[in-house]
Amino acid sequence: QSVLTQPPSVSGASGQRVTISCTGSSSNIGVGYDVHWYQQQLPGTAPKLLIYGNNNRPSGVPDRFSGSKSGTSASLVITGLQAEDEGDYYCQSYDSSLSSRVFGGGTKLTVL
Amino acid sequence: EVQLVESGGGLIQPGGSLRLPCAAAGFAFSSYAMSWVRQAPGKGLEWVSAISASGGSIYYADSVKGRFTISRDNSKSTMYLQMNSLRAEDTAVYFCAKGPAAYYDTGGHFDYWGQGTLVTVSS
Repeated sequence: QSVLTQPPSVSGASGQRVTISCTGSSSNIGVGYDVHWYQQQLPGTAPKLLIYGNNNRPSGVPDRFSGSKSGTSASLVITGLQAEDEGDYYCQSYDSSLSSRVFGGGTKLTVL
Repeated sequence: EVQLVESGGGLIQPGGSLRLPCAAAGFAFSSYAMSWVRQAPGKGLEWVSAISASGGSIYYADSVKGRFTISRDNSKSTMYLQMNSLRAEDTAVYFCAKGPAAYYDTGGHFDYWGQGTLVTVSS
């Protein structure tokens, strides 16, 4: 059971939009810690930073990826879905009760 | 181009020890905090440990505190994870990850990751 809760899977047709949620609590997202998002195209391979500081894209990440945060939750939105977007997506924040950076359990994205 | 290359993984018996190096290239290694993150087979990501750029500040997850030791040699652009008293639940791919600053910001992120090295703890 992860401290941050994500849906196990989401899917969408090519070209469509999907949203991945990340729900925390008053000891992490709700108390103001930033949320960051990573893409892992295959399990056991290097994750890639997609969004940092809730809504900032690193250089080279397409603007099809966007992030937001409100209250105790955050969301990653992917528009114009492409086959290459398939993989696992993880949110990450910090938990003051655990004194540790924490991850969500991951969401598997399937492009239909 | 930032490159992070982990090595040292393998099969080890419970109670044994292993040392994982992470060799860095393509950036000023001595100017950035670094971390270890692991992923058990079929599971999600778990932060393990972090070290500031100078090595003066070190952090551990409760699950490894007292058993694992993080260190770095800035002259060799290499970070290490010494793992002692290994348990079956330590079986995972271990990734090294770079931070965006010299200090380890608890609420911060990892901007680059290595490809990982698999550690299997089994008799």
